[in-house]
Formats: sequence, C-alpha cells, structure tokens
Amino acid sequence: SYVLTQPPSVSVAPGQTARIPCGGNDIGSTSVHWYQQKPGQAPVVVVYGDSDRPSGIPERFSGSNSGNTATLTISRVEAGDEADYYCQVWDSRSDQWVFGGGTNLTVL
Amino acid sequence: QVQLVQSGAEVKRPGASVKVSCSSSGYTFTDYFMHWVRQAPGQGLEWVGWINPYRGGINPNRGGTNYAQKFQGRVTMTRDTSISTAYMELSGLTSDDTAVYYCARGTGPYGSGTGDYWGQGTLVTVSS
Repeated sequence: SYVLTQPPSVSVAPGQTARIPCGGNDIGSTSVHWYQQKPGQAPVVVVYGDSDRPSGIPERFSGSNSGNTATLTISRVEAGDEADYYCQVWDSRSDQWVFGGGTNLTVL
Repeated sequence: QVQLVQSGAEVKRPGASVKVSCSSSGYTFTDYFMHWVRQAPGQGLEWVGWINPYRGGINPNRGGTNYAQKFQGRVTMTRDTSISTAYMELSGLTSDDTAVYYCARGTGPYGSGTGDYWGQGTLVTVSS
C-alpha cells in the first residue's frame, strides 16, 4: 500500500515560515491535501489539490508538490497555527485515502 | 450550511459491536460519498472506508462500499437515504479499536478527493 512520510515535529518562531514535508513515491503525480487538527477538534482542510485553499483559510497557508515530496508552507506563523498537520492522498489502486503520520507544529 | 452530526460516545466490552451514526444536512445526501476515519488516543488519522449513498446497483439497499483491508470482515457501512444518515458498524471490538471515529464528506467520486466537511467525532471506548 502507498506510504506517506512526515516528520513527527516541526518548530518555528512566530513570524517565521514553517515548512512541513510529506514524502511519497512519485507523490508529484497525484493530488495532495492537507489538514490542520487542533486538540479535541475534527480535522480541517487547509490546502487541497496540492495548492488550493478553501474559503476562509488564510493566504499564509500554501502548498506545493513535485517529485517525491509535497510541502505545506505556513508563512508569518502565529501562535494559533500550533496544531497537528496531516497530508492525505487518494491511492487509486486501492481506491482509498492514505494519510501521513502527522506533524506537530510548535510555535516557539 | 453543511453539517454532519454524529451519535454520542459509546463504551463497549471486548467482542461486542458498535454502530455509529452520521446525520447530514445542508446538501443532497446522495450526491457525495461518505468516508469514515478513526483516530486512536494520541495517534494519527486512519482511513476506515467509504460508502456511496446513492441508491442503486443490484442491491439497492447496499449502495456501494469500500473498506480498508485491515477492517475487512469486521466493518459494515450502511445508509438510510430517507433520513440522510450514514452508519458505520464495527464488530469484534478489542482495546485497539478504542478511538474517535469521524465521518467526512468526500469531495470526489469513490475515494478521490478529500474530506471537506467532518462530523464532530464519536469516542468509542472498548474496556472490560
């Protein structure tokens, strides 16, 4: 089955840029979606289709996808961005969702 | 507005079954696939399966489903289109099934796309 790899944690100072990678074999050939999940809450999509943002998501959230790595970039990080972030793709062979292991973003 | 409202927390004994409901509103229930995702305490997201709520196929009551191999034989997803509600039943519960179970509306047909709206989650605790 398809595997997505994320670092367990990323730390960044307020106002700086956070980059969260999601690795997968030839992931650049498929669409990647990103969720933000805060404690006790359901996940929320912050980026879909590699780089699109749902309405209501700040422009500070952006995504890219090429080769074997997709990246969620959060610019001008704020304390409220502290959360777990998950990447997700559709594995067309098994017709199922695949999630990365999640990355905990800490704002220093 | 789109809303997915799930049933309340459950406590089950090992070996028992649990059935979680997901009531939808604010959109046409049969136009979107419904996915189920679970999250064990302190762990990541795990996809359980999807159901196609559209009434059709050889068995009009079945609707079409796809389950993660890990849950094959233990999970059953159904729906009642008359009340726009999806259900996920998991049998043979063990302590490893203790988790928050979410329903999520899929943006694409079958497993494609992502989950644009999620239920609030249902905590299922398996304990003797």
